[in-house]
Amino acid sequence: ESVLTQSPGTLSLSPGERATLSCRASQSVSSSYLAWYQQKPGQAPRLLIYGASSRATGIPDRFSGSGSETDFTLTISRLEPEDFAVYYCQQYGSSPLTFGGGTKVEIK
Amino acid sequence: QVQLVESGGGVVQPGGSLRLSCAASGFTFSAYGMHWVRQAPGKGLEWVAFIRYDGGNRYYADSVKGRFTISRDSSKNTLYLQMNSLRAEDTAVYYCAKDPLAYCGGDCYSYRGKWFDPWGQGTLVTVSS
Repeated sequence: ESVLTQSPGTLSLSPGERATLSCRASQSVSSSYLAWYQQKPGQAPRLLIYGASSRATGIPDRFSGSGSETDFTLTISRLEPEDFAVYYCQQYGSSPLTFGGGTKVEIK
Repeated sequence: QVQLVESGGGVVQPGGSLRLSCAASGFTFSAYGMHWVRQAPGKGLEWVAFIRYDGGNRYYADSVKGRFTISRDSSKNTLYLQMNSLRAEDTAVYYCAKDPLAYCGGDCYSYRGKWFDPWGQGTLVTVSS
């Protein structure tokens, strides 16, 4: 099973700042099969990124994904008030499908 | 637009059973694989099960294998999760989610799903005596 470790656990930033979230896999993720989700309290997760770097439909371009093999990054270029949430990475390169433990982006 | 609406959650005693439903609309349900994903209170996300677009292949997380059964009825555009022998650790919000590739993207032999988009709003299952 591919274990995904997200860091940091919590990121305290101000609106307008840049957020850099990390997702590290215990084994190489084939074909960069990695996705990112955003979840706000009381809501279902929302897909942001798939294929490590492709934005999902309707996702603003301040969200970008990068990385390959075992190291992946989600970057939010300038935080908007609505971006404060929990972010999860997920790999689909091997079975079973697995998620990271999440990074909470909170207002500083 | 694509819409997924879960139902069937509730409180059940340990060892009991429950069946969740997910009503789908806004897309050709019979063409897409579907997933169940759960989230324990205050915890992260855990993939639970996947069913291929035609019901031909079904895959489960080790934590639920042998106790849960995923199924679908394309005549009703509905996905199901039959949960038996429930345990306290099964307490969670259960989400259904659509797989992105129609007809497994043409390669169904070992297709086990990719990402989840969109998700339903979830239904809470509480296992407690």
